[in-house]
Amino acid sequence: DAGVTQSPTHLIKTRGQQVTLRCSPKSGHDTVSWYQQALGQGPQFIFQYYEEEERQRGNFPDRFSGHQFPNYSSELNVNALLLGDSALYLCASSVGPSLLWEQFFGPGTRLTVL
Amino acid sequence: KNQVEQSPQSLIILEGKNCTLQCNYTVSPFSNLRWYKQDTGRGPVSLTIMTFSENTKSNGRYTATLDADTKQSSLHITASQLSDSASYICVVSFDQTGANNLFFGTGTRLTVIP
Repeated sequence: DAGVTQSPTHLIKTRGQQVTLRCSPKSGHDTVSWYQQALGQGPQFIFQYYEEEERQRGNFPDRFSGHQFPNYSSELNVNALLLGDSALYLCASSVGPSLLWEQFFGPGTRLTVL
Repeated sequence: KNQVEQSPQSLIILEGKNCTLQCNYTVSPFSNLRWYKQDTGRGPVSLTIMTFSENTKSNGRYTATLDADTKQSSLHITASQLSDSASYICVVSFDQTGANNLFFGTGTRLTVIP
C-alpha cells in the first residue's frame, strides 16, 4: 500500500517563474491538504481539496492555487515566485475534509527560489 | 491568540537516555493534540493523537501525556536510539471545522549521540 507520494523531490526556480507540484494521496483517501514549511518552522496550512474543490484555505495569496483530479491526486501551483516561497511543500491526505481527522504526510518537495 | 509553543527548541542526549519534550498551547476550544516526528527534509509522521478526554497514550518507546486543564502536553522518549534524532512537532486542533483550525508548533530538534 503506497503512502502519500509527491513529485518532484527537489526543484530550483528563479524569481517570477511559475511552479507546479504534484501529490498522490494514500490509497483510500479522498482529501488532500497542502502545507508550506519554511526552514526551522512548523508547517503552515495553504489549502485543502475535497471532491475536486478547494474547501478550506489558509492565509496565502492568490498566487497559490491548486487542483484536484477525479483520482484524488492534486497539484499545487505557485505563480510569480518570490524568494520567500523557498520552503518544503508538504502534501497530506486524509479521509474526508475535516482537518480534525488524522492526516498522513508525504515526503515533501523542496523548492528553492533563486 | 491561538498558539502552540514547544520547548526546548533543541536537545542533545546520549543514546540510551530518556528525555521529555514539552508543548504548551492556548488553542480553544480544543479538539485533539498530535505529536509528529519529522526527519530532516521529510514529511511528518504521526506518533500519537489524543482527545481532551485522554491523558496518556503510548506508541512503543514514545509516551504522550496531556493535561487539558493546564493546556500542556509532553512527549517522553524512553531508551533513546540514534534513529530518534529528528524534529518533534506538536499540533493542536480547534474543536470546529473550518479554515486554519490546525496549529503547529515550531518543533523540538532532538539529537541523539552515541
